[in-house]
Amino acid sequence: KAGVTQTPRYLIKTRGQQVTLSCSPISGHRSVSWYQQTPGQGLQFLFEYFSETQRNKGNFPGRFSGRQFSNSRSEMNVSTLELGDSALYLCASSPSTGNAKNIQYFGAGTRLSVL
Amino acid sequence: DQQVKQNSPSLSVQEGRISILNCDYTNSMFDYFLWYKKYPAEGPTFLISISSIKDKNEDGRFTVFLNKSAKHLSLHIVPSQPGDSAVYFCAASSALNAGGTSYGKLTFGQGTILTVHP
Repeated sequence: KAGVTQTPRYLIKTRGQQVTLSCSPISGHRSVSWYQQTPGQGLQFLFEYFSETQRNKGNFPGRFSGRQFSNSRSEMNVSTLELGDSALYLCASSPSTGNAKNIQYFGAGTRLSVL
Repeated sequence: DQQVKQNSPSLSVQEGRISILNCDYTNSMFDYFLWYKKYPAEGPTFLISISSIKDKNEDGRFTVFLNKSAKHLSLHIVPSQPGDSAVYFCAASSALNAGGTSYGKLTFGQGTILTVHP
């Protein structure tokens, strides 16, 4: 089985722009979670999607949004980029059923640099 | 409010010896715990997990111990190998009480850098 795929791997944007990141979960996984990793704050939960519905959201401003498609692929969008949005953005998928339902499997991440 | 803490930023161990990584949590609603290993420029890789109904789980060289009364868990790696050198993250979730603010959310510690010397 292919793992979680995130595209692009690297991105450079300037302040004020917007960006869209993509995530393809492991086949059969219906839950997709997004995280932001920065040196100061560590790994912080952004939001989780299941069956095209956002079920949970972390403590991030409304500039951070996401969506999930019927094939479970997910995108996250950050509008009006700020310098502090520079981070590694990680996507994780989980099967939601079975013995491994509570385990999240991560992609390699998208490194976003905001100049 | 850091609900999951890894108080040791780094740990250095000789090859063949035991590595013990520690993690403390404060939220009594956490009932499922995971350990991940991370290399630079890669996403975290799942290592091992434990449910709050158990106090030990073993998988090969990796063993996780959970002390619920102390809200403490530890990861033991025996024997340690140079390829184990990476950042190790402890994570927690309210899996058994899933709902509302629990769905799909892992709360991570700050990580411990493990270096295994040949």
